[in-house]
Amino acid sequence: GAVVSQHPSRVICKSGTSVKIECRSLDFQATTMFWYRQFPKKSLMLMATSNEGSKATYEQGVEKDKFLINHASLTLSTLTVTSAHPEDSSFYICSARDSRGANYGYTFGSGTRLTVV
Amino acid sequence: EDKVVQSPLSLVVHEGDTVTLNCSYEVTNFRSLLWYKQEKKAPTFLFMLTSSGIEKKSGRLSSILDKKELFSILNITATQTGDSAIYLCAVAGRRQGAQKLVFGQGTRLTINP
Repeated sequence: GAVVSQHPSRVICKSGTSVKIECRSLDFQATTMFWYRQFPKKSLMLMATSNEGSKATYEQGVEKDKFLINHASLTLSTLTVTSAHPEDSSFYICSARDSRGANYGYTFGSGTRLTVV
Repeated sequence: EDKVVQSPLSLVVHEGDTVTLNCSYEVTNFRSLLWYKQEKKAPTFLFMLTSSGIEKKSGRLSSILDKKELFSILNITATQTGDSAIYLCAVAGRRQGAQKLVFGQGTRLTINP
C-alpha cells in the first residue's frame, strides 16, 4: 500500500532557530500534499496545501512567512518552521494524495513532534 | 466555510458493546468522506466513501454515507479494548481548483474491559 515517510519524528530546537520537516511519498507520486498541525487532544488543523511545482495555498490565519512550504518534486514536500517560538511546539503531520486519482485516498506520514525550548 | 462535525466528542463503553459514531459535513464540491483511527501517532486509514447508501465493511467496522443528509456513521460491533482511539472523520472537497481534506474534531472512544 501507499507509504508516506515523515522525518524527523521528533525534534527539539531552541527558540529563534528554524526546523525543516520532510514528507516523502515512497511508492507513489503525490501532486498534492497537505500539512496539518495537531494540538493535544484536538483534531488535525489544516495549515496549507502543497502543490508540486507551484506555491502552497495557506489556510486563513497561517503565516506563510513563518511556515515555509516547498514541494519541489512529485515525492517530496518540506515544511520549514522559521524563527521558532515555544508556541510553535506541536505535532505536525503531512498527508499525501495519490496522483492516480481520488480512489487512492490520502496517506499520512507518522508525524513530527516539535518542541521549542 | 467548510465544516465537519463529529459526535459524540467522547464515548466510554464496555468491551463487547456496539458503538455508532457520527459525522456531518458542509463542504464545497464534495468528493469523498474518509474515516481514520488515531492512536498514538498519525491517523490510519479505515474507509473512504464516495457514494450514498453503500455500506463499506472491514471486520467489525462498517460505515455508510448519506449524501442527501450530508452525514456518515461509523459502526463498531463487539468492541475490544484495542478499539480505544480517536476516530477522525474527514471530508475531501474542492475549492478554487484545489482539493483539500477537512477534519472533524474527532471522537475519543474508550473501551473498558
